Amino acid sequence: DIQMTQSPSTLSASVRDRVTITCRASQTVNSWLAWYQQKPGKAPKLLIYKASSLQSGVPSRFSGSGSGTEFTLTISSLQPDDFATYYCQQYNSFPWTFGQGTKVDIK
Amino acid sequence: EVQLVDSGGGLVQPGESLRLSCSASGFIFSSHAISWVRQAPGKGLEWVSYIGGSSITIWYADSVKGRFTISRDNGNNAVYLQMNNLRAEDTAVYYCARVGSRGYFDFWGHGALVTVSS
Repeated sequence: DIQMTQSPSTLSASVRDRVTITCRASQTVNSWLAWYQQKPGKAPKLLIYKASSLQSGVPSRFSGSGSGTEFTLTISSLQPDDFATYYCQQYNSFPWTFGQGTKVDIK
Repeated sequence: EVQLVDSGGGLVQPGESLRLSCSASGFIFSSHAISWVRQAPGKGLEWVSYIGGSSITIWYADSVKGRFTISRDNGNNAVYLQMNNLRAEDTAVYYCARVGSRGYFDFWGHGALVTVSS
């Protein structure tokens, strides 16, 4: 199975900060990587697919990059609505696997 | 508007069974694969099972293989997850999710809580 490791696990930031979350795969997933945002009590929401493609309706302050085994999610200017937990997910091969999550909270 | 509605959750004892349903609308149902993803209380996301649009391709996580069965009824725009021999570690919110063009989840249900406890 492909293991996905996110860092950091928790990130404290302020509004308007630039935030970067890293996701590393234990073996290549090519560009088959997605990022999700989840708020407490809610279903996850797709932000990025195929490593860098922005899902329709997602603000342009979110961006993704990387390929192979190392990926990043960047929020260019953190907004109050962005405080949440973020997950990466590989869909290169079954079983599809998620990172453990990165919680972005208020500094 | 794409909508997925999960139902069928509840409280069961270890060893018992439960069937979850996912009712879909707003898209051509048979053209999309569907997956179940679960989240134990306070924990991260875990992919559980996948079924292709025509039911030919089916996959399970090792943690549920042999105990869970996924199926779909394209005539009624529904996907099911039959869960047998439930264990305490199966306690989670179960989400059905539409699979995008390759393997990401572009739409999610609101989740169904399954609690396995004596």
